[in-house]
Amino acid sequence: NAGVTQTPKFQVLKTGQSMTLQCAQDMNHEYMSWYRQDPGMGLRLIHYSVGAGITDQGEVPNGYNVSRSTTEDFPLRLLSAAPSQTSVYFCASSQRSSYNEQFFGPGTRLTVL
Amino acid sequence: AQSVSQHNHHVILSEAASLELGCNYSYGGTVNLFWYVQYPGQHLQLLLKYFSGDPLVKGIKGFEAEFIKSKFSFNLRKPSVQWSDTAEYFCAVTGGGNKLTFGTGTQLKVEL
Repeated sequence: NAGVTQTPKFQVLKTGQSMTLQCAQDMNHEYMSWYRQDPGMGLRLIHYSVGAGITDQGEVPNGYNVSRSTTEDFPLRLLSAAPSQTSVYFCASSQRSSYNEQFFGPGTRLTVL
Repeated sequence: AQSVSQHNHHVILSEAASLELGCNYSYGGTVNLFWYVQYPGQHLQLLLKYFSGDPLVKGIKGFEAEFIKSKFSFNLRKPSVQWSDTAEYFCAVTGGGNKLTFGTGTQLKVEL
């Protein structure tokens, strides 16, 4: 199993540009989520999904969009990038029960100029 | 809403020293508690978790944590740290669903 994969690993954007961060998992996990990691703030939940066709907002959803058309994929879209979105983004997946371990991808380091 | 506090932001230890990282959570119901570790340049990995049963849980690489319900705490311990334990450590909690709430993390540096 590849686990959780994310592309790209690094990205530089200009303010106002849009882009999609890709996330895929091959473990047939129902639950998938996106976090951003900023120094001194830990990881904060952006959006999550409990299954194909179902998404919901996390703690910091503004400026981001998600969709879940398949169990495997959970892309994160930045609609109009801002410097405040410079961060490291992690995708995670797990089976649905709350005590299950979440498996994290390798992350995407995004810089918005 | 659930929240997690990690009071030690930066910890520096010498090899063979003992480690204890504090974690307190706030949530009114049944919780599941996790410690994740992030080694330099790598993604998060699970160290250990608690969801029921024995409040003293053992994880990988000699780490353990104790759930004390009355104190809303889940402190991480290791009797003797190694240089390879240098990493960032995150405490996290889930309540009624899968949503993980993380603490702000503790940077541990182990010196030779």
